[in-house]
Amino acid sequence: ETGVTQSPTHLIKTRGQQVTLRCSSQSGHNTVSWYQQALGQGPQFIFQYYREEENGRGNFPPRFSGLQFPNYSSELNVNALELDDSALYLCASSLAGRETQYFGPGTRLLVL
Amino acid sequence: AQSVAQPEDQVNVAEGNPLTVKCTYSVSGNPYLFWYVQYPNRGLQFLLKYITGDNLVKGSYGFEAEFNKSQTSFHLKKPSALVSDSALYFCAVRDGGNFNKFYFGSGTKLNVKP
Repeated sequence: ETGVTQSPTHLIKTRGQQVTLRCSSQSGHNTVSWYQQALGQGPQFIFQYYREEENGRGNFPPRFSGLQFPNYSSELNVNALELDDSALYLCASSLAGRETQYFGPGTRLLVL
Repeated sequence: AQSVAQPEDQVNVAEGNPLTVKCTYSVSGNPYLFWYVQYPNRGLQFLLKYITGDNLVKGSYGFEAEFNKSQTSFHLKKPSALVSDSALYFCAVRDGGNFNKFYFGSGTKLNVKP
């Protein structure tokens, strides 16, 4: 097991609502990346945070936003939820400049 | 554009036989390549990576991968499969232009039968 934790493990929301997912990075890791994994697909890169700033972004609309805190933990916020946002959301931590990312167990979001 | 292709949705092997899970990539610059494994209802676990050096990379749980620059491939291999190797395997490449972005393949389900 990695030291990356995510909460909650499961979540059910309705279309139009907002959701916040949380991630605690592995001890000493200062970079956090978020991925969306739809059913039957590979993870899709959402964005990365380093030193509390967004440090790279994939092809996701602005309603996907994030935060990183001084202790390197992170939040993913999604506004105006759509049915297609239903997926497993994965957080991965790493050390800046190091290539390997370590993943948390994910949060499974269901939008009804 | 950076991309990763895993041409096989599923690979079936018998326990004790060698296994290969295929991956091809397209990336600008030098490729940084990774393999991850995902068990049901779990996050991804790092297996191995290729950054530079020897084309044969050894990783966790007896897995290895062979980097082939001319074929732009990075196939995952294991000499003798175990039933416990049954899982979903993902190949990933780091963006050569933006080192903070990673691209994953669609995954290959490995079934190892006793």
